[in-house]
Amino acid sequence: QSALTQTASVSGSPGQSITISCTGTSSDVGAYNYVSWYQHHPGKAPKLMISDVSNRPSGVSNRFSGSKSGNTASMTISGLQAEDEADYYCSSFTISSTLVFGGGTKLTVL
Amino acid sequence: QVQLQESGPGLVKPSETLSLTCTVSGGSMRGYFWNWIRQPPGKGLEWIGYIYHTGSTNYNPSLKSRVTISVDTSRNHFSLKMTSVTAADTAVYYCARGDGGNSDYWGQGTLVTVSS
Repeated sequence: QSALTQTASVSGSPGQSITISCTGTSSDVGAYNYVSWYQHHPGKAPKLMISDVSNRPSGVSNRFSGSKSGNTASMTISGLQAEDEADYYCSSFTISSTLVFGGGTKLTVL
Repeated sequence: QVQLQESGPGLVKPSETLSLTCTVSGGSMRGYFWNWIRQPPGKGLEWIGYIYHTGSTNYNPSLKSRVTISVDTSRNHFSLKMTSVTAADTAVYYCARGDGGNSDYWGQGTLVTVSS
C-alpha cells in the first residue's frame, strides 16, 4: 500500500487559517469516511485531532475542522496559534482493512 | 483515563528479533483494535499492524512476513515481534488504541536502535 500524499510543509501567521490536504485513492480515502488527523510535537505522542473525516474528539479546539471530497481529505486550522506549530499526519482505513498514513506536513507558525 | 506504555530492549542486533510489549491501564481491551506504529528518524509515521481483542490481526503488507502481534487480555497487554531486523527498522515504536480507524490513545513511544 502506498502512503497518502500530503504537502511537505505549510506556514501561516498567527490568526490566519491554513488547510492541509491528504490525497489517496478509491481504495483508502475515497472508500470510507474513516480518515483521521494527528498532531505530533517532536518527542511527544501523536494526538488525535480529527476522527472519521470531520469529528472532533472531546477536548480538541473547534479551530480544527475536517472534510473530504472524493479521494482527498482536508484539515483546516483557523485562528492559528503558536502552539499549533507541529507535524500533522492523516491516516485512512483501507479496503484491505489496513491503515495507511500520509507522509506528514510540517506546519510553521510565522 | 486510558494509558499505554511501551517496554522492551532499546538496542537490537541486526538479523535478530525485536520484541516490544504495550501495557494498557485505565480501561478494558475489549472492543478495540490495538495498533503498533513506528517513526524512523527524520521520517513519517508508518502503521505496522493491529490486533483485535479477540486475537484477529492485520499487518502492513510490506512488513507482514516479519511481524507478529499477540494479545493477552487477562494481563492487559499486547506485544510486537519483528524478525530479521536491519538498520532500516531503527525507529520510535508507538502502541495505540484503535477505535474504528482512529487511534485515540497513544503510548509515549520507545526508541529501538538496530546496531551491532
